Amino acid sequence: DGGITQSPKYLFRKEGQNVTLSCEQNLNHDAMYWYRQDPGQGLRLIYYSQIVNDFQKGDIAEGYSVSREKKESFPLTVTSAQKNPTAFYLCASSTGALGGYYNEQFFGPGTRLTVL
Amino acid sequence: AQRVTQPEKLLSVFKGAPVELKCNYSYSGSPELFWYVQYSRQRLQLLLRHISRESIKGFTADLNKGETSFHLKKPFAQEEDSAMYYCALSGPLIIQGAQKLVFGQGTRLTINP
Repeated sequence: DGGITQSPKYLFRKEGQNVTLSCEQNLNHDAMYWYRQDPGQGLRLIYYSQIVNDFQKGDIAEGYSVSREKKESFPLTVTSAQKNPTAFYLCASSTGALGGYYNEQFFGPGTRLTVL
Repeated sequence: AQRVTQPEKLLSVFKGAPVELKCNYSYSGSPELFWYVQYSRQRLQLLLRHISRESIKGFTADLNKGETSFHLKKPFAQEEDSAMYYCALSGPLIIQGAQKLVFGQGTRLTINP
């Protein structure tokens, strides 16, 4: 089940530390996304990127940062400014809009971040 | 503001019974609606979208703009349908752009034997 990989699967962080979550895709997709999943709240969009060297804030970008230096990679940094970072983080990618409608987003397996 | 509401966190039905997972949305324009599903130990994946008007694994969903709903239905539930289901909405198509999805809270469906 390749396509999109996320690492690590589990991550523990001490308060005050920045951590970076990795997301890599080999699907040749232009668009990539980061979501946060909390119990009872579904998925919420943190950041998204339409193309290399471009990214936009989603609905809950505060305390997070991203980069998109390569098409295949879209790492997410959870900074110490994020008040409640303990959550499950999902990365996704898509071909963007083709054929007159959006194509589906393909999701990675996720990273569970716990702040100690 | 865009919003998706799935009123049931948990839904339990018996095998062979009909299933309906409710989804209501709030959006001022013409949305695209989707159902995503996550089976146990598998990744979140697209189940169906309203624009395709197709049946996937026996599931159908009709967009009702008057009631702003996109309920997911299946006439006869099977045990393998047990999963977490998310309704999602996106705004207008942006040519060659990324898609901003707004997800509902999810409904955990359990099919009892």
